Amino acid sequence: GAVVSQHPSWVICKSGTSVKIECRSLDFQATTMFWYRQFPKQSLMLMATSNEGSKATYEQGVEKDKFLINHASLTLSTLTVTSAHPEDSSFYICSARDGGSVPEAFFGQGTRLTVV
Amino acid sequence: AQSVTQLGSHVSVSEGALVLLRCNYSSSVPPYLFWYVQYPNQGLQLLLKYTSAATLVKGINGFEAEFKKSETSFHLTKPSAHMSDAAEYFCAVRGGNSGNTPLVFGKGTRLSVIA
Repeated sequence: GAVVSQHPSWVICKSGTSVKIECRSLDFQATTMFWYRQFPKQSLMLMATSNEGSKATYEQGVEKDKFLINHASLTLSTLTVTSAHPEDSSFYICSARDGGSVPEAFFGQGTRLTVV
Repeated sequence: AQSVTQLGSHVSVSEGALVLLRCNYSSSVPPYLFWYVQYPNQGLQLLLKYTSAATLVKGINGFEAEFKKSETSFHLTKPSAHMSDAAEYFCAVRGGNSGNTPLVFGKGTRLSVIA
């Protein structure tokens, strides 16, 4: 089956530093990747949609200069949280689609970010 | 536009009892519908999906869901709950199959199973 690997699974960083989260599709080519943020006991909030080789499309209210998304290849997308602050602490989840007839998206394991 | 409403943020059932998690959707185009399960600090695992084929969809772990267009519903059921079913469940909709169309999630329902 389609596997999406997200790394790291958890990270702690100091305020003001940047953190990069990787999302890889292991056995399919992900033409589209989605990045979500999830607050405790809440649903997933879509942050941005990225297509390989193109700039990401950000949802309203998401700072594109703070949450840098790169989708340079068909198997890798990265989310970089720049100048992190404690309010950026959250659970970040990526998902990927292969662009074919399969309608569902496959999800990574998520990354728990804690900014201290 | 698409939206999902999950009735009940928390459902508690006894082990062996019927599980019923409710989901109603709104979509301006024929929808694709999904149920995902999330265990603590993990990503989402697909339980089942509706793609305009059979209206009764069977998924993994004994779960199934029925698409009812007249009621705009896609409720998730399981005849007999197991302790391992305790988790967060999300209903999601996608309007159309364009590659860029994201899933829209409901707020989730936490299922507790009592021994």
